[in-house]
Amino acid sequence: QSALTQPASVSGSLGQSITVSCTGTSGDVGAYNYVSWYQHHPGKVPKLMIYDVSSRPSGVSNRFSGSKSGNTASLTISGLQAEDEADYYCISYTSSRTSVVFGGGTKVTVL
Amino acid sequence: EVQLVQSGAEVKKPGESLKISCKGAGYSFSNYWIAWVRQMPGKGLEWMGIIYGRDSDTRYSPSFEGHVTISADKSTTSAYLQWSSLKASDTAMYYCALRYGGVYFDYWGQGTLVTVSS
Repeated sequence: QSALTQPASVSGSLGQSITVSCTGTSGDVGAYNYVSWYQHHPGKVPKLMIYDVSSRPSGVSNRFSGSKSGNTASLTISGLQAEDEADYYCISYTSSRTSVVFGGGTKVTVL
Repeated sequence: EVQLVQSGAEVKKPGESLKISCKGAGYSFSNYWIAWVRQMPGKGLEWMGIIYGRDSDTRYSPSFEGHVTISADKSTTSAYLQWSSLKASDTAMYYCALRYGGVYFDYWGQGTLVTVSS
């Protein structure tokens, strides 16, 4: 069982918006603004999409946005496109000695 | 250019030992953390542990502590993931990832596929 809880799957139609949630605790997501999101297409290397809750690396589409409320972080993909179909993972810094906690991943399907 | 280059695919038998590597280039190896991440066939990413290049301070995921050894060598600017006795269930793709720009993993190795089969 992963330390951060994500829905197993989320789907949406082309052009729609979807949101993927990532729920942690007051020791990780709730305590620090160090949540990051990664896109992983099968057979490819994972790609950083959002860091520090809501910042986008250079080159990442502005259709991807992040936010946080309490112990839950969220990734929103607006204007869903076929190439957005992938697995998405959240990662947070944690006060525990492990220093890192992962989410279990969410499969995003574009209908 | 910051890069992580991982060692090549491995095919091993159960009970054998293995050490795979992740070589960092284009940055100061000692000043950053490198993580190891597993992806078993058809499954999601799992965080295994993380190591600091300067002093090899290592933090393990509880799921992996005692089953693998993570190490680093500043002289070769490489991080390593090691098994003393492989099992078929260790068959997976293994990625290393660098925490460079901040508290996130912005650079990833290309992955090392480990296959354990009799």
